[in-house]
Amino acid sequence: DTGVSQNPRHKITKRGQNVTFRCDPISEHNRLYWYRQTLGQGPEFLTYFQNEAQLEKSRLLSDRFSAERPKGSFSTLEIQRTEQGDSAMYLCASSHTGTGGDEQYFGPGTRLTVT
Amino acid sequence: KNQVEQSPQSLIILEGKNCTLQCNYTVSPFSNLRWYKQDTGRGPVSLTIMTFSENTKSNGRYTATLDADTKQSSLHITASQLSDSASYICVVSAPGGSQGNLIFGKGTKLSVKP
Repeated sequence: DTGVSQNPRHKITKRGQNVTFRCDPISEHNRLYWYRQTLGQGPEFLTYFQNEAQLEKSRLLSDRFSAERPKGSFSTLEIQRTEQGDSAMYLCASSHTGTGGDEQYFGPGTRLTVT
Repeated sequence: KNQVEQSPQSLIILEGKNCTLQCNYTVSPFSNLRWYKQDTGRGPVSLTIMTFSENTKSNGRYTATLDADTKQSSLHITASQLSDSASYICVVSAPGGSQGNLIFGKGTKLSVKP
């Protein structure tokens, strides 16, 4: 296993378009998290799943954002009607609540640019 | 309000020198504190994690300290290398299980010059 992977690594889109990102967590990790990070800032929590259940959503997650983890493995984050303010790095992390003490391992991120 | 403040915002040092990064937090109650290293354009990678009962933890040339009474932590880097150039993020978590309780600092951007 090579860690958390995210695709695409970069996405450029025009304002108003929809985009979808994918995250593949470390095998056997039951928790999966999404964060947003803008330049010069730390990551901001968006949402997390335990298995296929979405257990928490930040108030940052407007109704244009939706995340799914249908089979408890990979997850997708969709942004509808993108705005320039959505430009950011979107980070995914995974953890296991048993062994490893719920330590989060981050993926390389998807950098979104909305023009 | 739960906050994590890091200083300095950025730092430039020469290769081989030591440096110390600071983290002050107001998170209460407190569960654990983590330091992450984030290379440009990459995701954060964990360096250390300390519970409130731990005072120091080392990971190679990285040594983190924690004073839970004053709510301060530091990350000391010894004999810096060019590959240490990155942002270092302090993260404090509160108990309760909610993942929204991970409070991230803005990071210190370290540049190591030859």
